[in-house]
Amino acid sequence: GAGVSQTPSNKVTEKGKYVELRCDPISGHTALYWYRQSLGQGPEFLIYFQGTGAADDSGLPNDRFFAVRPEGSVSTLKIQRTERGDSAVYLCASSSSPANTGELFFGEGSRLTVL
Amino acid sequence: QKEVEQDPGPLSVPEGAIVSLNCTYSNSAFQYFMWYRQYSRKGPELLMYTYSSGNKEDGRFTAQVDKSSKYISLFIRDSQPSDSATYLCAMKGGSYIPTFGRGTSLIVHP
Repeated sequence: GAGVSQTPSNKVTEKGKYVELRCDPISGHTALYWYRQSLGQGPEFLIYFQGTGAADDSGLPNDRFFAVRPEGSVSTLKIQRTERGDSAVYLCASSSSPANTGELFFGEGSRLTVL
Repeated sequence: QKEVEQDPGPLSVPEGAIVSLNCTYSNSAFQYFMWYRQYSRKGPELLMYTYSSGNKEDGRFTAQVDKSSKYISLFIRDSQPSDSATYLCAMKGGSYIPTFGRGTSLIVHP
């Protein structure tokens, strides 16, 4: 499809395990964002990529969270030693013009549950 | 205090009503103001954006920004059951990173 694709759509894991969440942005979009959305809350910024580089990672909560975008397209969010508080929907968005209107195109999210 | 405040609702209205959704903010640097709609278990989708102060209309939707009061609104006319969703306000200034409100849940009943 032409939209932002995120896999897996659902992930259940045990406390302490390692998790990878993948995002495939809209073709040609150079800007890519990761947000986290907890139940009843708005999206909370995690990290922003412009091309291959992380232009702003100030939203990553701690060093257990890491994200890469090695070829400037697909991105992977990696969470080490998962904790129950990491349970949330992880949203990926891409944009072709982040400097102007700020329109972000979101995927449907990856729902992470840490038991 | 969060940078962007938004009442979570839920707001329940009858079909055909005029709906008013609002956000307040504290960061004077915000210049771009957006409204996103999010259906259950879906990602947010952009409804409207406004630059600086003023009004913008698109069909049944009107967005208003009052920078002097740090207050933005979204009005929905002739509301429909299909408008039932969570409405998120979002804002950004000089950075490329929108800051979102927590969203208002809207229920339009037939």
